[in-house]
Amino acid sequence: AQRVTQPEKLLSVFKGAPVELKCNYSYSGSPELFWYVQYSRQRLQLLLRHISRESIKGFTADLNKGETSFHLKKPFAQEEDSAMYYCALSVSYGQNFVFGPGTRLSVLP
Amino acid sequence: EAGVAQSPRYKIIEKRQSVAFWCNPISGHATLYWYQQILGQGPKLLIQFQNNGVVDDSQLPKDRFSAERLKGVDSTLKIQPAKLEDSAVYLCASSFGDITSGNTIYFGEGSWLTVV
Repeated sequence: AQRVTQPEKLLSVFKGAPVELKCNYSYSGSPELFWYVQYSRQRLQLLLRHISRESIKGFTADLNKGETSFHLKKPFAQEEDSAMYYCALSVSYGQNFVFGPGTRLSVLP
Repeated sequence: EAGVAQSPRYKIIEKRQSVAFWCNPISGHATLYWYQQILGQGPKLLIQFQNNGVVDDSQLPKDRFSAERLKGVDSTLKIQPAKLEDSAVYLCASSFGDITSGNTIYFGEGSWLTVV
């Protein structure tokens, strides 16, 4: 079965510092990877997809099939980045959308 | 564009009682998902519909949970009888579900259930 792991429950960084949220997955085929974010009192929303290869709010993520990882990175964290971040995997197009346990990012002033 | 609508937002019930949650997906979205999110954990898929057919319900506790999407639009998730461990946020999500429109799912705000 597909599985997504996020080893850090909580990550605290200072404003302006680089941030990396780790995500590893287990799946032998070619999955589609996503990062979803949940700001305080808001619904879960898509941050970015690996297929798009775009930068959203300064965040980027590269799919590394050799290491089965999809880490989320931002060079300079902002206080408004504080939120819960979930890595997710989809296989068989639209099927089996699996989420990781999430990492809470706290950006300190 | 209106988002995924869910109701009620909050519900407190006693164990062994029943509860029902309603979801109206984004217009035109063929795929509808129900997720359970227990505090401190990521969302866990309970059931996935494509139009009014079930695609995946492998993690739905069928002895107490049921869901339907009779006309392929809105959906209802029911729990009967509820147990203490059912306390969670129940998230509804939807997507176009076809390769040309992108495989992105959109979430509702969730229905918070507390079983006492």
